[in-house]
Amino acid sequence: KNEVEQSPQNLTAQEGEFITINCSYSVGISALHWLQQHPGGGIVSLFMLSSGKKKHGRLIATINIQEKHSSLHITASHPRDSAVYICAAHIQGAQKLVFGQGTRLTINP
Amino acid sequence: DTGVSQNPRHKITKRGQNVTFRCDPISEHNRLYWYRQTLGQGPEFLTYFQNEAQLEKSRLLSDRFSAERPKGSFSTLEIQRTEQGDSAMYLCASSFWLSGANVLTFGAGSRLTVL
Repeated sequence: KNEVEQSPQNLTAQEGEFITINCSYSVGISALHWLQQHPGGGIVSLFMLSSGKKKHGRLIATINIQEKHSSLHITASHPRDSAVYICAAHIQGAQKLVFGQGTRLTINP
Repeated sequence: DTGVSQNPRHKITKRGQNVTFRCDPISEHNRLYWYRQTLGQGPEFLTYFQNEAQLEKSRLLSDRFSAERPKGSFSTLEIQRTEQGDSAMYLCASSFWLSGANVLTFGAGSRLTVL
């Protein structure tokens, strides 16, 4: 079992819907990253958080350290939000990230 | 220097050939990482440098793989005697330390296809 698990693996929604992507991890972490990957390979960092909640535009990321769970929310989704969203955990004491498998999001107009 | 640069972006090769990928990190970042990503999967850690020292290497990295960062700036990842299973996107990232965690900036990746 992977140390970082995401759900769902695929998500299709209509424009305007509220989107939630979940990430659970089984190890101690110092921070958790949410990344966005568009077709073609480029990865962009959306959030790095170690507690609480962060908001950037229509994107909201939350983390519950006790429950070892994080969520990424997208409000008023738009077709340009279509991408793969990946959570990655920065393991305590280690220098590398452990990645989830990613959630492929498709927003239809 | 506005980001992490990787070359080539695409490489198609025949099984058994050697390939080399290059990564130019953000100049102020002393840490450099190589990851591999196959279709439908998240990136998998391959190896990590701090300056010119290779500090960690994944068990995924067979002896056909070698990575160098000779002057602590750019890095190369060489795959010898390529196999079809090596087909993947090879991602490079460089990082700086912020609030107890590494903030990574990824390159666009080098896609390898082994025929």
